[in-house]
Amino acid sequence: QKEVEQDPGPLSVPEGAIVSLNCTYSNSAFQYFMWYRQYSRKGPELLMYTYSSGNKEDGRFTAQVDKSSKYISLFIRDSQPSDSATYLCATPGSSNTGKLIFGQGTTLQVKP
Amino acid sequence: DTEVTQTPKHLVMGMTNKKSLKCEQHMGHRAMYWYKQKAKKPPELMFVYSYEKLSINESVPSRFSPECPNSSLLNLHLHALQPEDSALYLCASSQDGGHGADTQYFGPGTRLTVL
Repeated sequence: QKEVEQDPGPLSVPEGAIVSLNCTYSNSAFQYFMWYRQYSRKGPELLMYTYSSGNKEDGRFTAQVDKSSKYISLFIRDSQPSDSATYLCATPGSSNTGKLIFGQGTTLQVKP
Repeated sequence: DTEVTQTPKHLVMGMTNKKSLKCEQHMGHRAMYWYKQKAKKPPELMFVYSYEKLSINESVPSRFSPECPNSSLLNLHLHALQPEDSALYLCASSQDGGHGADTQYFGPGTRLTVL
């Protein structure tokens, strides 16, 4: 079993839809999670990070961690064509080495 | 400013060439990273420098040689690469790399093609 699992998609939605991107993780000791957005042929851009349970909101983006289910989510409200990208969840796991464990990435396409 | 810069943006090299990739950050971060990313895959960690010392080498072949001249700069020296080394090479930095909640910021990457 991979430590972090993410459905690669692709996920296609109409403009204005609410998008839900999800990852599951295997180790209940994991506490810190990040979401990165990566446009084609570009470097990953940090969108949000969350620590422990609960929600964190930033504009149209909400990150959510459910520790009981070992499930993390990124919601995008009022999705735009410019949101079309690959979204990567990541966690340092339980190490203090700086090494990140990435999900496989979900490719999102928002159609005008 | 959360900017990590990388040069060059694109690089084409033959298998006998020697070239270098460069990365720079001015955020005062003390940890810097090299990743390799193949198409439709997540980044794979290659090296970590913490306080200018190599702290992680993920069993990377010796044809890749990292160097950290100072806390703002990170180089990756390339020699005798193989076509399968063609990929996007990403640099990242973080505050100090020594604790779990240390967020990494990525550069735009260098797209490397080995002929």
